[in-house]
Parts: sequence; C-alpha cells; structure tokens
Amino acid sequence: QSALTQPASVSASPGQSITISCTGTSSDVGTYNLVSWYQLHPGKAPKLIIYEGTKRPSGVSNRFSGSKSANTASLTISGLQAEDEADYYCCSYADRGAVFGGGTKLTVL
Amino acid sequence: QVQLQESGPGLVKPSETLSLTCTVSGGSIGTYYWSWIRQPAGKGLEWIGRIYSSGSTGYNPSLKSRVTMSVDTSKMRFSLRLSAVTAADTAVYYCARDYYGDYGLSAFDIWGQGTLVSVSS
Repeated sequence: QSALTQPASVSASPGQSITISCTGTSSDVGTYNLVSWYQLHPGKAPKLIIYEGTKRPSGVSNRFSGSKSANTASLTISGLQAEDEADYYCCSYADRGAVFGGGTKLTVL
Repeated sequence: QVQLQESGPGLVKPSETLSLTCTVSGGSIGTYYWSWIRQPAGKGLEWIGRIYSSGSTGYNPSLKSRVTMSVDTSKMRFSLRLSAVTAADTAVYYCARDYYGDYGLSAFDIWGQGTLVSVSS
C-alpha cells in the first residue's frame, strides 16, 4: 500500500503559522473522515494531535488544527513555538488498514 | 492513565523470527484494538497490524505472510512475531492503542516509547 504524500520539510519562525499537507487517494483520505496526525519528538512516544480530520484530543493545544479537502488533509500549527519542532505524520484508515504519510520535519527557526 | 511498554530482544539474526511483547498498564486491555507500528531509521511510520482483545487480527497486506499477533488478556499484554527477518526489518517498533470513534477505528491514541530491533548476524 502506498504511503500518503507529505512535504519532507517545512520551516518558519516563532509566532508564525505553517500548514502541512497530506495527499492520498479516493480510497483513503478522500473517502474516509479518518485522518489523524502525530507529533514525534526523538526518544519520546509519538503523540496524537488530531483525529477524525479535525478533532483535538484533550490536552492538545488549540494552536493545532486539521482540515480536509477532497483527497488532501492538512495540519495547521499557528503561533509556532520552539517546542513544536518535531516530525509530523499523517495517517488514514482504509479498508486495507492504516496507511501513514512519509513524515514532515518541522524546523522552528 | 494507560501506559504501554514494549519489550523483547534488541538484536535478531537474519532469517530468524522477531518477537516483541507490549504490556498494558493503568487500564483495561479488553474491548480495545491494539496495533504494532514500526519506523526504520530515517524513514516513515509503517502500520504492521492490529489485534482485538478477543484475538481477531488484521495485518498490513505487505507483511501479512510473515506476521502473527496474539493477545493474553490475563497478563495484560499482546505480542508480535515477524518471521524470516532481513536487514530491512531493522526499525523502532511501537505498540499503540487503536481509538474507536464516531466512524469506527480512526487513530492511535496511546503509544509506547518504542524499542529498537536490529537485524544482523
């Protein structure tokens, strides 16, 4: 199964906003409202930050938001902070199971 | 608060079987789906498969022929076996809990810290 497509890297300064795209197909992202996003810091357990496309788990900052249009989901982080520097992965559930994006490295300048 | 902890050998020889266990603490293992996910060095995440507390399973089609998962609810743990490993199976292996939301299974809401497994002779 093909991975979802994410940009390899994005960067921005503190206080700015960034958006990470996640492109799939009509068989995954386009059909199901089941996109989730994860934040990975080295040596730490991955953290769920968005689920079902737009929902935030309890305790996740409202600076994180998710959206979807057709076959592309997006993660927006507003008011960037140094602690946001991490790898971000999207994931979509589909009939064949779960498929992840290739990951995006966010650098806070 | 539910916590997951992976355990198992950090080194496996080529052609042998990788075996890992995930222990669940601070909550129930029942009525949940549990997944294994891996990340090769410098690469992205890959879902390996999931198991329900009853023992029913679902595997990534690309790994299905080599994967076996099991669960022991009395010991609050579930396990992964990956046979005929090669260097390409070297990765950090995570266990995670599947979240069942409004639309069914939709995310992985709790993860273990991960454990590095290297395949080398």
